Amino acid sequence: EAGVAQSPRYKIIEKRQSVAFWCNPISGHATLYWYQQILGQGPKLLIQFQNNGVVDDSQLPKDRFSAERLKGVDSTLKIQPAKLEDSAVYLCASTILSGRTGELFFGEGSRLTVL
Amino acid sequence: SQQGEEDPQALSIQEGENATMNCSYKTSINNLQWYRQNSGRGLVHLILIRSNEREKHSGRLRVTLDTSKKSSSLLITASRAADTASYFCATDRQGAQKLVFGQGTRLTINP
Repeated sequence: EAGVAQSPRYKIIEKRQSVAFWCNPISGHATLYWYQQILGQGPKLLIQFQNNGVVDDSQLPKDRFSAERLKGVDSTLKIQPAKLEDSAVYLCASTILSGRTGELFFGEGSRLTVL
Repeated sequence: SQQGEEDPQALSIQEGENATMNCSYKTSINNLQWYRQNSGRGLVHLILIRSNEREKHSGRLRVTLDTSKKSSSLLITASRAADTASYFCATDRQGAQKLVFGQGTRLTINP
């Protein structure tokens, strides 16, 4: 089966510019996650969707980050305006489970560099 | 916030030796998972151990869980160069319904 697809793989922008990342989870997976991974650290959860509803966005910097999951399938994560500290890899993951946590399937990530 | 803390942060061993990584966490969990991440790639699920399990095996991997000490260990036996990667533990905290990752252990297998 096809894995989690993410694009773009790499993005370089100037600070204060905007950027958007796209994720297509595995077909039929109810729950979708966006994680931020800063170099040398573990992934940090930004937002969790169950179908098209938000389950957890407590660590999403809502003044600059936004995310949506249209029709409970694809998802987009946007940063506007970007700051230097947003340089990181943005990982999308999905799981077939709904309401409890099991194995997550990750995409290859989108690496953002903010200059 | 990071729930799990891996130890050591970095480990370098010779091919064929066993590698042991430890993970400690702070709150009660439903399950604990281990993931591998090769450089520049996404994370790959290795194994899941539930809170009522004490040990689990998968190929060359052995995971133990001690809920009284709030700790887990991952043992990779007969290591290979291809095992070179970062390894992360992730906890599914009771009542939280989300996975929280630790900082990871960077494992290097020398040929």
